[in-house]
Amino acid sequence: DIQMTQSPSSLSASVGDRVTITCRAGQNITTSLNWYQHIARGAPKLLIYGASSLQSGVPSRFSGSGSGTDFTLTISSLQPDDFATYFCQQSYIAPWTFGQGTKVDFK
Amino acid sequence: QVQMQELGPGLVKPSETLSLTCNVSGASISSYYFSWIRQPPGKRLEWIGHIYFKGRTNYNPSLRSRVTISVDTSKNQMTLKLSSVSAADTAVYYCARYRGRDCAGGMCNYWYFDVWGRGTLLTVSS
Repeated sequence: DIQMTQSPSSLSASVGDRVTITCRAGQNITTSLNWYQHIARGAPKLLIYGASSLQSGVPSRFSGSGSGTDFTLTISSLQPDDFATYFCQQSYIAPWTFGQGTKVDFK
Repeated sequence: QVQMQELGPGLVKPSETLSLTCNVSGASISSYYFSWIRQPPGKRLEWIGHIYFKGRTNYNPSLRSRVTISVDTSKNQMTLKLSSVSAADTAVYYCARYRGRDCAGGMCNYWYFDVWGRGTLLTVSS
């Protein structure tokens, strides 16, 4: 199985901050990397697919980059609705695997 | 708008078989891949398996010997059965649609889980 490692595991930030979360794959996964947002007790929400493509309806403050083994999710200006857990997922080869998650909370 | 809702018993005894249902609305269960995914407390998400094309399945090798996923097209519903459960199977269980994009000749450039349910907590305890 492909191991996915996110960093940091948690971070504290304020509204308006620029936030960056990284995801590292255990092997080359080209751009087969997706990012999701999960607010507790809600349904996870797809933000980014194919490492850098913004899912329809997702605000443009979210962006993704990277290829191979190293990927980044950036929130350009954190908004109140963005305090949540973010996780990455590889779709390169089954079984599909996930990062451990990064919790973004109020500073 | 596609929506998914997981339903389950909440509590199952060790060694029993758990059964969960996912009700799908806004999309045909026969037209897409649908997956089960779980998250044990304090752990990362784990893909369990998916079903597509009216019954073809792929399972995570780590669970393959205990898992069965099926669909009821008349109810637009997917079911997960996991046998011989233990405390390690305690988790929030999600159903999700797995969708391909930019597809040609049976191959897609992108695959992702684009719609999820809110999940249902399943506890294994005597």
